[in-house]
Amino acid sequence: SQQGEEDPQALSIQEGENATMNCSYKTSINNLQWYRQNSGRGLVHLILIRSNEREKHSGRLRVTLDTSKKSSSLLITASRAADTASYFCAGNFNKFYFGSGTKLNVKP
Amino acid sequence: DAGVIQSPRHEVTEMGQEVTLRCKPISGHNSLFWYRQTMMRGLELLIYFNNNVPIDDSGMPEDRFSAKMPNASFSTLKIQPSEPRDSAVYFCASSASGGLNGAQYFGPGTRLTVL
Repeated sequence: SQQGEEDPQALSIQEGENATMNCSYKTSINNLQWYRQNSGRGLVHLILIRSNEREKHSGRLRVTLDTSKKSSSLLITASRAADTASYFCAGNFNKFYFGSGTKLNVKP
Repeated sequence: DAGVIQSPRHEVTEMGQEVTLRCKPISGHNSLFWYRQTMMRGLELLIYFNNNVPIDDSGMPEDRFSAKMPNASFSTLKIQPSEPRDSAVYFCASSASGGLNGAQYFGPGTRLTVL
């Protein structure tokens, strides 16, 4: 079974809206990472948040981490059609695991 | 800078044939990872190397799968003999951070179809 689970599995929004994706995991982590995958492409690293950090920003991306709840969220603000992709959380849960992903569709 | 390079990009073969996938990591990176992605199982870590040494191969599905890293700039993943259930996209990734705690940079993948 996956160590990381994203929620929702799919999300469809209009351009300009914010998109929030959540990740829950089961064991303790050193850090948690978020990746993006465009259809038919390799994964692209977006952001890494360490276990002692609560929030991190990178451009239009904001990631939060709640180690007590074993959950993380990725917020994309002012979404664009080019943000359409699958988004995965990943972490070193004794072994490196990727979650099942959220498919984001941003409609122009 | 060149990213992670994988070859071939597509491979179609028949059941029972040997398949070799190749990867050139980003220069200077000391960790290399092989993943497999399918609709059913998602993205699975097969094996990873640190400084050319295999660290964890527990994700390798069967003895039919083997991986080598003869030097810092080249790795292969071999399947022999191949089976239809091996059909998947295989990704190679590299990292400068060593181990599993840093950002990984993925190649474009090899789409393998075993008939």
